[in-house]
Amino acid sequence: GAGVSQTPSNKVTEKGKYVELRCDPISGHTALYWYRQSLGQGPEFLIYFQGTGAADDSGLPNDRFFAVRPEGSVSTLKIQRTERGDSAMYLCASSQQANTEAFFGQGTRLTVV
Amino acid sequence: GEDVEQSLFLSVREGDSSVINCTYTDSSSTYLYWYKQEPGAGLQLLTYIFSNMDMKQDQRLTVLLNKKDKHLSLRIADTQTGDSAIYFCAERSDYKLSFGAGTTVTVRA
Repeated sequence: GAGVSQTPSNKVTEKGKYVELRCDPISGHTALYWYRQSLGQGPEFLIYFQGTGAADDSGLPNDRFFAVRPEGSVSTLKIQRTERGDSAMYLCASSQQANTEAFFGQGTRLTVV
Repeated sequence: GEDVEQSLFLSVREGDSSVINCTYTDSSSTYLYWYKQEPGAGLQLLTYIFSNMDMKQDQRLTVLLNKKDKHLSLRIADTQTGDSAIYFCAERSDYKLSFGAGTTVTVRA
């Protein structure tokens, strides 16, 4: 597609449930990133994929968070046993290579009630 | 570690220039970026500057970089109502972006 696509755009879930957030990067972009943006803050790095592998997952807050990119294109961010503190905008970005400009999707706003 | 700071709010009259300031700490940053975020939306890349440049101009946008002081600014000429948004400064080291908290720009008639 023309840009980075994220689905769903909004997700409301109950505390304790499992959620999956999807990111479809720009075609041909090998690098993919997930960021989390809390209200009133700038985005914070979660994880970086180069191809299919997670090259840096140091930003994932705990082991309830996991992300995959099995074919080197679409990525899914998975959150288990959601907590109210997980409520945030989750942003995905992609770039042609790791050291080139990153283009962001519209984000998924996750609300845990 | 990285730490990017910005002023939180800016109010400007339509037609005037806006100047948004940012300081960063990572001297190894290769590129510095300005992103725009409208309500409920993702980030739109506005412009960027390579760390060995002092200035970059792109239509109404002028980026100034003082590498010695680690100070970055974005000037928007002839500010329009459509420029109302949150503006994020970001530094990149390798593949990772570190963002400031954002400056909310409000354009008043």
